[in-house]
Formats: sequence, structure tokens, C-alpha cells
Amino acid sequence: KAGVTQTPRYLIKTRGQQVTLSCSPISGHRSVSWYQQTPGQGLQFLFEYFSETQRNKGNFPGRFSGRQFSNSRSEMNVSTLELGDSALYLCASSSTEYNEQFFGPGTRLTVL
Amino acid sequence: GQQVMQIPQYQHVQEGEDFTTYCNSSTTLSNIQWYKQRPGGHPVFLIQLVKSGEVKKQKRLTFQFGEAKKNSSLHITATQTTDVGTYFCAANYGGSQGNLIFGKGTKLSVKP
Repeated sequence: KAGVTQTPRYLIKTRGQQVTLSCSPISGHRSVSWYQQTPGQGLQFLFEYFSETQRNKGNFPGRFSGRQFSNSRSEMNVSTLELGDSALYLCASSSTEYNEQFFGPGTRLTVL
Repeated sequence: GQQVMQIPQYQHVQEGEDFTTYCNSSTTLSNIQWYKQRPGGHPVFLIQLVKSGEVKKQKRLTFQFGEAKKNSSLHITATQTTDVGTYFCAANYGGSQGNLIFGKGTKLSVKP
């Protein structure tokens, strides 16, 4: 099976702009989670979607949002970008039967 | 919010030496997972521990889950240069998979 894919891999934006990141899970996986990884804060959970519904949400401001489509593909959106949003954004998918998370390569977002 | 403490933050070892990283939670866990992230890569699932006192081995890696299900450890025997990377524990406090809380990770470097 193909792994989790994320697009784009790299992105440079300026403060105030918005950005949309995309994630395609492993075929058959219905759960998609998003994480923000920074050197200072480590891996922080953003939200999880299952069957097009947000099932869990981390402690991030409302500028961070996401959605999941009927084919399980997911997008996350960050509006009004701030310098502190510069990070590696990782998407992970998992099956309903097993708990392990399969991570994608991530999108490296730089906010200038 | 819930936190899981992981120590040490960094570990430098000579090839052939052993390595251990520890995770501690103040609250009882449902289960705990371990991941490895190579430099420039994404986290890769290693194992999940569910039962109190559980011990699992993968070649030179030994994973333990405490009797009270509040702590866990990963021990690598006779490290090799291929073991280089950051090791994360991920705590599940119950509910859906979206409740994974990652430790800050232990970055392992191995001197040949």
C-alpha cells in the first residue's frame, strides 16, 4: 500500500496570509490526525478526523481548522498566519482496528 | 492539560553502549506507544504497550510498561549508528486515538 502523502512539502508564506495543507491517508484508513512539530514544543496534537467528523481537538486557536472528505483525504487550514506558526505539520492516519499512527513526510511551513 | 514527561532530552553514547529513555505520567494511561524519528524524517511507529507490567522486545530494543501504567521505558542494548534519531513516547489516556500526547522526545546520537 502507498504511504501517507502530504502536499505541498514546503511552503513559504508571509504574516497575515492563510494556508491550506493536504493529506492523503493510507487506503482504508478512516482516521486522520494532524500534528504541529517545532523544536521548542515538540509534537503537538492539532485535531483528529474520523469519517468526516472532527473527533478530537487539541489546544490550538481557532485560526487552525480542518476537514475530512468522504474519501478520507483531509485538509488543514491556518488563517492569519503568525511567525510562530512556522513548523513542520505532520499528518498521520490509522485504521479502526490498530492504534498505530502512520505519519506522512510532513509539510514544512515557513512564515516570514 | 495532560502531560507526559520524557527524559533525558539528549543522550550521547559511544557505539556499543546501552541507551535508555523514560516516560512518566502523573495519570494512569490506557496505553503507550513509542516512535522513532530519524533526522530529517517523520515519526515511525515502533510498538504499543497496553498491559500493566508488559515487556516487549524487538531485537536489541526492550520496551516496558510500569505496573501502575504511569511510566514506560525504552532500552537499547549495544547501540549502533543506525539507532541515531529521536525517540518519542506517545501516551493514550483513553477514548479515541486522537488523545495521543507525545513526550518531548530523547535525541540519541551515537559516536562510532
